[in-house]
Amino acid sequence: QKEVEQNSGPLSVPEGAIASLNCTYSDRGSQSFFWYRQYSGKSPELIMSIYSNGDKEDGRFTAQLNKASQYVSLLIRDSQPSDSATYLCAVNMNTGFQKLVFGTGTRLLVSP
Amino acid sequence: DVKVTQSSRYLVKRTGEKVFLECVQDMDHENMFWYRQDPGLGLRLIYFSYDVKMKEKGDIPEGYSVSREKKERFSLILESASTNQTSMYLCASSLESYYNSPLHFGNGTRLTVT
Repeated sequence: QKEVEQNSGPLSVPEGAIASLNCTYSDRGSQSFFWYRQYSGKSPELIMSIYSNGDKEDGRFTAQLNKASQYVSLLIRDSQPSDSATYLCAVNMNTGFQKLVFGTGTRLLVSP
Repeated sequence: DVKVTQSSRYLVKRTGEKVFLECVQDMDHENMFWYRQDPGLGLRLIYFSYDVKMKEKGDIPEGYSVSREKKERFSLILESASTNQTSMYLCASSLESYYNSPLHFGNGTRLTVT
């Protein structure tokens, strides 16, 4: 089992819709969770971080964390074509020091 | 804003060459990391450093070494480049060793070994 799993996609949504991106992780003791966006040929940029169960909202983005189910998700409301990118889920494993493990990413396509 | 600068955007080297990838951050971050990114495999940690002159192996250190002589600079060294080291290399830094400190990435170096 991979440590951090994401569906590779592509996930196709029409402009204005809600895009839902999902991620599961294997280490039950993981403490912190991050979502990065990566445009083709560019480096990852941080979108959201979440550390406790529940929802965290930032503009059109909402991160959701359920530690019991070992599941983290990212919702993008009012999706725009400029949101088309690969979204990487990253989990800080419970190793006593910072070690981020990345999923392979979900490619999102938002059509006008 | 945090700035992480990688010295080269594209690099082409020959098999057997010694290759240096340089990374500099300007925010006095404690931690620095080198990842490589390959299609279908995602980002994989090569080496990281929590302090000057300190280094720790990541998940795929074979064929690589690192140097951190100054806090702001973290270099990745390919001792004898091979074609399977053709990849996108990403440097990152973070403020603290605590688990909630996010990584800030440089623009990446796309290395081709022929």
